[in-house]
Amino acid sequence: AQTVTQSQPEMSVQEAETVTLSCTYDTSESNYYLFWYKQPPSRQMILVIRQEAYKQQNATENRFSVNFQKAAKSFSLKISDSQLGDTAMYFCAFIRGSSNTGKLIFGQGTTLQVKP
Amino acid sequence: DVKVTQSSRYLVKRTGEKVFLECVQDMDHENMFWYRQDPGLGLRLIYFSYDVKMKEKGDIPEGYSVSREKKERFSLILESASTNQTSMYLCASSLPRPGGTEAFFGQGTRLTVV
Repeated sequence: AQTVTQSQPEMSVQEAETVTLSCTYDTSESNYYLFWYKQPPSRQMILVIRQEAYKQQNATENRFSVNFQKAAKSFSLKISDSQLGDTAMYFCAFIRGSSNTGKLIFGQGTTLQVKP
Repeated sequence: DVKVTQSSRYLVKRTGEKVFLECVQDMDHENMFWYRQDPGLGLRLIYFSYDVKMKEKGDIPEGYSVSREKKERFSLILESASTNQTSMYLCASSLPRPGGTEAFFGQGTRLTVV
């Protein structure tokens, strides 16, 4: 069975600084996908970034980037130049590559507070 | 824009009531999901549907059932609500593509059972 673990329940960062959110996972699959989703207060959850396990290059989306360490089963999210709008709960998630069901396995979530 | 709409943002129900949570998506997605979100536990899958009238149990189906009579609508039913079902419920939809397909979420329904 696959599991996803986020060990930081809460984090805070000053506006314009950089913060890294941690995620580890466990799987015996060789082909899979990893995601970071963002849930702003009272707003819908949205996809932040996606990583395909067979790609060695770390995914990047504007100020968001990941550090994907496949051997260590680690998938951290780095937010550069943090903005007040980045305040949200962030979830790390996993999907088996062979699956077309779209069933996500989520971590516990990390609440990020960006302070002015 | 993809829209997944849940019928209620907040609900308060009494113990023993039958509760219906409704979800509608407008992107013709085959896959639809109901998740439950609890502090410290993240999101856990209750039920999944991959087509009209087709469903699969997720990780925590006990006390719940689902209905999907039309492709765009997926309903979660609490047969006899209990206080331990007080939670945030999230609906989501996605296309049936291998691996990294993006899921689109509704705004959530915060259910309180008293």
